[in-house]
Amino acid sequence: GQQVMQIPQYQHVQEGEDFTTYCNSSTTLSNIQWYKQRPGGHPVFLIQLVKSGEVKKQKRLTFQFGEAKKNSSLHITATQTTDVGTYFCAKGTGGYQKVTFGTGTKLQVIP
Amino acid sequence: NAGVTQTPKFQVLKTGQSMTLQCAQDMNHNSMYWYRQDPGMGLRLIYYSASEGTTDKGEVPNGYNVSRLNKREFSLRLESAAPSQTSVYFCASAEGGELFFGSGTQLSVL
Repeated sequence: GQQVMQIPQYQHVQEGEDFTTYCNSSTTLSNIQWYKQRPGGHPVFLIQLVKSGEVKKQKRLTFQFGEAKKNSSLHITATQTTDVGTYFCAKGTGGYQKVTFGTGTKLQVIP
Repeated sequence: NAGVTQTPKFQVLKTGQSMTLQCAQDMNHNSMYWYRQDPGMGLRLIYYSASEGTTDKGEVPNGYNVSRLNKREFSLRLESAAPSQTSVYFCASAEGGELFFGSGTQLSVL
């Protein structure tokens, strides 16, 4: 199956600036998940989106699932140094059971 | 609760040696996974097990075998290690989509 592509690959922002990463698929997705991996750590689940056009918020993080269910985005408002890490989207297929990851966006926050 | 436990945390092998990475979860999850992550790269699915007694190939299964020993344990075996298998290996378990990861095994094949 097609891997989910993420852009950008890297992003450096000044602390306090906003950040957005995008996840794009050539095929319709049944669901999309987002994970954060801190340097030297393991991925940690952030959220799962399943409905077309769905928008979910977690404090400064806003997650969107596109109307056509082919793309998703993660937006961070007013970045902090604790936001540093790599953000991955992941798609579930085969009844959610086969989970494959996007290419990731590495975020650096400059204090 | 320990969550997902992987052993060992570090391992160095010589080309051609074999070894088994162990993974156990205590969350009573049905699904378990093995991923590899190369430096600066994303996670690639090696094998997964949707439930006890079943295993399926992921994106990069060549050179690996797995065993779902019971509901708790899912092991990954390298029969003849190659330098291309130098990577960080993550085990994960899931229920309802959300993956819980172990802390990883850093494997170097010389």
